[in-house]
Amino acid sequence: AQKITQTQPGMFVQEKEAVTLDCTYDTSDPSYGLFWYKQPSSGEMIFLIYQGSYDQQNATEGRYSLNFQKARKSANLVISASQLGDSAMYFCAMSTDNNDMRFGAGTRLTVKP
Amino acid sequence: ETGVTQSPTHLIKTRGQQVTLRCSSQSGHNTVSWYQQALGQGPQFIFQYYREEENGRGNFPPRFSGLQFPNYSSELNVNALELDDSALYLCASSRELGEETQYFGPGTRLLVL
Repeated sequence: AQKITQTQPGMFVQEKEAVTLDCTYDTSDPSYGLFWYKQPSSGEMIFLIYQGSYDQQNATEGRYSLNFQKARKSANLVISASQLGDSAMYFCAMSTDNNDMRFGAGTRLTVKP
Repeated sequence: ETGVTQSPTHLIKTRGQQVTLRCSSQSGHNTVSWYQQALGQGPQFIFQYYREEENGRGNFPPRFSGLQFPNYSSELNVNALELDDSALYLCASSRELGEETQYFGPGTRLLVL
C-alpha cells in the first residue's frame, strides 16, 4: 500500500532563512511521482514542485528544491530565503500508475519576521 | 489563479440529504480528480474521471458518485449525507492522464448538521 508520512505538524523559520520540510513515502511501485503543494488559509492547493521516481537529478523550482533520496524513500522540500508569504500548510503527495494520489497529513509552516 | 473554479464556495446540509458540488476545469483538461479534505488532514482521493469515464476510485462508498461533461465541467454527488462528510471538497484537473501537474480549484466547504 502507498503511504506518505510527514512527521512535522508545525515548523517555524526566521524570515530570509532556509527551512526543510520532511516527507517519507512507501510504495512497491517502481514508477511514481512525488509532489509538494502549498495550501494557504484560503484552501486552494498550489503546486510547488514535482520529482519523478526515475529522475536522476533533484527537482528545483525557484526557491523550492526537492531533496530526493530514493534509497531512503524520502522527498524533503527545501525552501530557501523564506518570506512571510510562505506561511501556510505544506503537503507532500505521491501518485502511482493507478492514478491514486496520496497526501501526507501536512506541515504548518510559520515564517517569523 | 489556476483557471479551475468550484461552486458553491460554502454549503450547509442536514444529515440524510443529497448534495451536488460542481467543478469547471480549464479548457482542454480531460482529467478531473476529486478529493475530500477533513479538517486538519491531508486530502483523500475520491475518484478520477478521464474523458467522461471513471478512471480510478479511492476508498469511498458508492454514495459518492461523479459525472464529467464534454464541456470540461464535472460534478461530485453525495447521497445520504453523514456528519463525517463535513469537509473541504477539492477538484483538480490536468490535460491528460499521468500528467505531472494537477491544477486545483479553491474548494467547496461542506458542513453537514
